[in-house]
Amino acid sequence: DAKTTQPNSMESNEEEPVHLPCNHSTISGTDYIHWYRQLPSQGPEYVIHGLTSNVNNRMASLAIAEDRKSSTLILHRATLRDAAVYYCILRDVQMTGTASKLTFGTGTRLQVTL
Amino acid sequence: NAGVTQTPKFRVLKTGQSMTLLCAQDMNHEYMYWYRQDPGMGLRLIHYSVGEGTTAKGEVPDGYNVSRLKKQNFLLGLESAAPSQTSVYFCASSDRDRELLAKNIQYFGAGTRLSVL
Repeated sequence: DAKTTQPNSMESNEEEPVHLPCNHSTISGTDYIHWYRQLPSQGPEYVIHGLTSNVNNRMASLAIAEDRKSSTLILHRATLRDAAVYYCILRDVQMTGTASKLTFGTGTRLQVTL
Repeated sequence: NAGVTQTPKFRVLKTGQSMTLLCAQDMNHEYMYWYRQDPGMGLRLIHYSVGEGTTAKGEVPDGYNVSRLKKQNFLLGLESAAPSQTSVYFCASSDRDRELLAKNIQYFGAGTRLSVL
């Protein structure tokens, strides 16, 4: 899988938007961009994924650069419950017939303060 | 809907002891995975299974064995525990159809915290 680069940590104030960046300059045309987050003492949970177009769901938005070499996870109004480690992961759509083994880096630790 | 359930939540072992970690999922998923997470690191895949009766090695399989006798259960065994196996273990599952399209969404359990003294 292609590699991703994320900042080690970020801080945000509660109820403000948060933009979590991810660089993936070696992304291939068949790589999906996935985001997971891991709350303290919990297992990772799926947040959102996309291929080329921006995506929105109830948890977050994913903005994908036109050249797909970077993406940004957007939390529109951060709450204390959003404090977690956020992982950006690439998955190759052509890996059919095999289990998709997610490769987790160290992610971005988001701190949310009052 | 419980999702993915791991038992036990915590365990302390002495070096050389054996134990089995149980993972159960109620989503009828074909694929199941075992990961370990060491302090300050991301998750690393130990073993995985693409269906009942089948298992395969992941990134760090040494010292572990697995079995998938029933579709809903995936067991991780440590035959002779070592201090290097002190870690948090996570089980996950995913749907096969989504898998083949790489729209892989894995559902994780809450983890088992294991200490080997």
